[in-house]
Amino acid sequence: AQSVAQPEDQVNVAEGNPLTVKCTYSVSGNPYLFWYVQYPNRGLQFLLKYITGDNLVKGSYGFEAEFNKSQTSFHLKKPSALVSDSALYFCAVRDNPDSNYQLIWGAGTKLIIKP
Amino acid sequence: EAQVTQNPRYLITVTGKKLTVTCSQNMNHEYMSWYRQDPGLGLRQIYYSMNVEVTDKGDVPEGYKVSRKEKRNFPLILESPSPNQTSLYFCASSSLGLAGDTGELFFGEGSRLTVL
Repeated sequence: AQSVAQPEDQVNVAEGNPLTVKCTYSVSGNPYLFWYVQYPNRGLQFLLKYITGDNLVKGSYGFEAEFNKSQTSFHLKKPSALVSDSALYFCAVRDNPDSNYQLIWGAGTKLIIKP
Repeated sequence: EAQVTQNPRYLITVTGKKLTVTCSQNMNHEYMSWYRQDPGLGLRQIYYSMNVEVTDKGDVPEGYKVSRKEKRNFPLILESPSPNQTSLYFCASSSLGLAGDTGELFFGEGSRLTVL
């Protein structure tokens, strides 16, 4: 069955330190992978996506993500965390272009950046 | 400004009292979708629409209805709300690429519904 796992409910990082939010997936075909962020009392915002090409994808607000096909992972990273990065992060996957945009969503990871 | 607008943002209602949550987008997007967000469950899709007059069930359609009479609007209807429909609801829209390209989803600000 197709699935997305975000193994950590919460990640705590000190401001200025690098951060990683983990995502692993299981799909039958070639994955399209996404990260979205949700700030408190707001809707989700697109951060970045991987479709094909370079395994390292750069997105908004200094975030990047690395696609690892052998480990079926798409971890979100940032070299130096800001307090304003504190939010809920969602990983999502779609297995191929013919799936009518039906994304499979992870449960979300709460990222807390401490000053 | 490109946006997806949902109304109401907050609503408290009682069991069985029909309600509609409106969703409107100004980006001429073909694709629109409704999600509910519950703690620990992430986002679950309720219904989606690939274009006008084309709608389909998502993962959790029971107790909900939708319509897509115009491209910009995609209302969510709860004919007889029940307490288990208490949730945070999001509407989203996206363009459809010719090659099936993804198109990022644009989300509304959310509608928090409480059914007593």
